[in-house]
Amino acid sequence: GQNIDQPTEMTATEGAIVQINCTYQTSGFNGLFWYQQHAGEAPTFLSYNVLDGLEEKGRFSSFLSRSKGYSYLLLKELQMKDSASYLCARSGDSNYQLIWGAGTKLIIKP
Amino acid sequence: ETGVTQTPRHLVMGMTNKKSLKCEQHLGHNAMYWYKQSAKKPLELMFVYNFKEQTENNSVPSRFSPECPNSSHLFLHLHTLQPEDSALYLCASSQLDTQYFGPGTRLTVL
Repeated sequence: GQNIDQPTEMTATEGAIVQINCTYQTSGFNGLFWYQQHAGEAPTFLSYNVLDGLEEKGRFSSFLSRSKGYSYLLLKELQMKDSASYLCARSGDSNYQLIWGAGTKLIIKP
Repeated sequence: ETGVTQTPRHLVMGMTNKKSLKCEQHLGHNAMYWYKQSAKKPLELMFVYNFKEQTENNSVPSRFSPECPNSSHLFLHLHTLQPEDSALYLCASSQLDTQYFGPGTRLTVL
């Protein structure tokens, strides 16, 4: 199968750290994307991991383990504006086709 | 802000109406996509065009008809829709793997 699993909803406190996990089927895997989507807006690209390890971009970092079929998005120093849905997607077997998770809704509380 | 625009942003239509959604990308990409996004479900890929040629059609009902006159423009023609077709319709474009999204059209079918 090509299922991608991520938690439906998470809650965290402003200023804290949160980790959003994503697991996927490893067959035919090329790379793993993370997108952010605020309510009523377009998904925006955050990161793309192809190799194992952690990639850091400011307050956001993304980790990939190809052998385990596992990725996470780490958000530090949370701000209220980080309240959004975070979508995990993997490159599929077909050219140009991504397989998407249902998204994790992140709620930030003061 | 993105280089992908969509019009209209909101659309309400009856089941007997015919309407069209428009997407334009200003990024010089060669591939364009239509997605359907329903609440709490993964993004559903509907159509993919690469250099104006349709490369994917994921078993979409014929009441949805895409048109890609050139690499910068993509249309989705709608006719005799059903209430269950109410959703957010997203357009995206890409050069390689990373897709960039428009703001979407929120469609309500009465």
